[in-house]
Amino acid sequence: QSVLTQPPSVSGTPGQRVTISCSGSSSNIGTGHAVNWYQQLPGAAPKLLIYVTSDRPSGVPDRFSGSKSGTSASLVITGLQAEDEADYYCQSYDSRLSASVFGGGTKLTVL
Amino acid sequence: EVQLVETGGGLIQPGGSLRLSCAASGFSVSYEYMSWVRQAPGKGLEWVSGIYGGGRAFYADSVEGRFTMSRDNSINTLYLHMNSLRAEDTAVYYCARVNHNYNYFDYWGQGTLVTVSS
Repeated sequence: QSVLTQPPSVSGTPGQRVTISCSGSSSNIGTGHAVNWYQQLPGAAPKLLIYVTSDRPSGVPDRFSGSKSGTSASLVITGLQAEDEADYYCQSYDSRLSASVFGGGTKLTVL
Repeated sequence: EVQLVETGGGLIQPGGSLRLSCAASGFSVSYEYMSWVRQAPGKGLEWVSGIYGGGRAFYADSVEGRFTMSRDNSINTLYLHMNSLRAEDTAVYYCARVNHNYNYFDYWGQGTLVTVSS
């Protein structure tokens, strides 16, 4: 059972907009700890996609965006492309556990 | 260019010990917060341990008392010493550099697979 809750799967067709949610609590997202997102392509290591809620590392397309409200966060992908098919993980810090915590991951399928 | 390369994984019997290494380049591990994150087959990511520049290490409850994280600044390498291994420790182990201000993992290695089985 992950501390952060994500839907197991989402899907969309090329060009569509998809949203992946990440639900936390008052000891992690709700306390203002940064929410970060990672993309893991099949067979590869995770890669930082979004940091501190909505910032993108160099090289990440602006089709990817993040937001946060209360104890939840969201990753939005617009103009969906076949190469976006991957697993996506949210991550934050939990003050009660004194540990970094991840969501269970969301598998994005591009139909 | 920042690079992290993990080695040391393999097949080990339950109750055994193993040491993973993570060779870093492009930055100095002595100044950074570094972590190990693992991923069991077909499962999600789990933070395992972290070590600050000052040398203090922290662990997930699931490995506390069995795993020890250390580093050798002279060769810019991190280690994860794993004792009393269990079947549930089977996973790909990644080392990662962490931004200590905002706790995000900005660089990851390719991972090394540890399989605990008799």
